[in-house]
Amino acid sequence: EIVLTQSPATLSLSPGERATLSCRASQSISSYLAWYHQKPGQAPRLLIYDASSRATGVPARFSGSGSGTDFTLTISSLEPEDFAFYYCQQRNYWPRTFGQGTKLEIK
Amino acid sequence: EVQLVESGGGLVQPGGSLRLSCAASGFTFSVYDMNWVRQAPGKGLEWLSYISGSGRTIYSADSLKGRFIISRDNAKNSLYLQMHSLRAEDTAIYYCARDNNDGYGYRPFDSWGQGTLVTVSS
Repeated sequence: EIVLTQSPATLSLSPGERATLSCRASQSISSYLAWYHQKPGQAPRLLIYDASSRATGVPARFSGSGSGTDFTLTISSLEPEDFAFYYCQQRNYWPRTFGQGTKLEIK
Repeated sequence: EVQLVESGGGLVQPGGSLRLSCAASGFTFSVYDMNWVRQAPGKGLEWLSYISGSGRTIYSADSLKGRFIISRDNAKNSLYLQMHSLRAEDTAIYYCARDNNDGYGYRPFDSWGQGTLVTVSS
């Protein structure tokens, strides 16, 4: 099973700042990594797929990069609605697995 | 508009069974692969099971040890999760989620339902 390790566990930033979230896979998953965010009481929402492709309707301030085992989600300038939990997920191998999540909180 | 609506959750005793449903609308259900994902209270996301659009291909998490069975009825635009031998640790919100492979790249879990809460307790 592929283990995805997200860091940091919690990221405290202010609106307007740049956020960088990391996801590391226990072995190469090519570019088959997705990112989701989830606000309390809501279902997750797909942000990025195939490491760097933005999903429909996702603002341009969200970008993804990486391949192999190391991946990054960058939010260029934080908006108030971006403070949430973020999860990475791989689809290169079964079972599909998620990272444990990063909480992005307001500083 | 794509809609996924889960139902069937509730309180069940340990060792009991439950069948969850996910009603799909706003898209051609039979063309899309579907999944179940759960989230225990205050915890992260856990993928449970996948079924192809035709229903012929199924994958499930090994941790379920065959207790949960995914199925679909394309004529009814519905996805199901039959759960047996439920344990306290199965308490979670259960989401159905669609995979989208419409030619713009394979987007896993591109649409989600609102979830249905399953509580396993005596």
